[in-house]
Amino acid sequence: NAGVTQTPKFQVLKTGQSMTLQCAQDMNHNSMYWYRQDPGMGLRLIYYSASEGTTDKGEVPNGYNVSRLNKREFSLRLESAAPSQTSVYFCASSEEMAGLETQYFGPGTRLLVL
Amino acid sequence: GNSVTQMEGPVTLSEEAFLTINCTYTATGYPSLFWYVQYPGEGLQLLLKATKADDKGSNKGFEATYRKETTSFHLEKGSVQVSDSAVYFCALNRPGNTPLVFGKGTRLSVIA
Repeated sequence: NAGVTQTPKFQVLKTGQSMTLQCAQDMNHNSMYWYRQDPGMGLRLIYYSASEGTTDKGEVPNGYNVSRLNKREFSLRLESAAPSQTSVYFCASSEEMAGLETQYFGPGTRLLVL
Repeated sequence: GNSVTQMEGPVTLSEEAFLTINCTYTATGYPSLFWYVQYPGEGLQLLLKATKADDKGSNKGFEATYRKETTSFHLEKGSVQVSDSAVYFCALNRPGNTPLVFGKGTRLSVIA
């Protein structure tokens, strides 16, 4: 099993450009998540999907959109990138969202917006 | 609201030293508590977890006890190694269908 995979690993954008970060999991998990990680700010939840067909805003959703394409895939889109979106983005999945379910994380995408 | 507070880092220790990373929480109800670890250049992975008061989670020599009376879940290891250098995140999961709440992370550097 590959677990959680993310593409690309690294991306440089200019302000105003758009891009989609891809995430896929092969563990048949119901719930998926997008986080961003910034120095001193820890891990902040952008959007999550409790199950296929549903998405919800997290702590910092502004400037992002998501699509739960199917049970395996959960993409994050930046429509008009800004320097404040320079960050490391992590996708994660879990079998369910509640209780003791473990979240499994991808390796991350480093995004630099100039 | 529900939140997790961790001690600020970075924490620098010599090999074989004793480690404590403090974590306290605020939550309604009875949350499950977790420690995740992030090694350099990687995503987070679960280190240990506990579901109720007085439960002790343990893994790879690390331990943490769920203390309801002090709302704490401090991470400890008796003898750290260079390979333990990483960022450690405390997290809680509230009852119901809601995502994990993470602390800001504590960076640990272990020097030989």
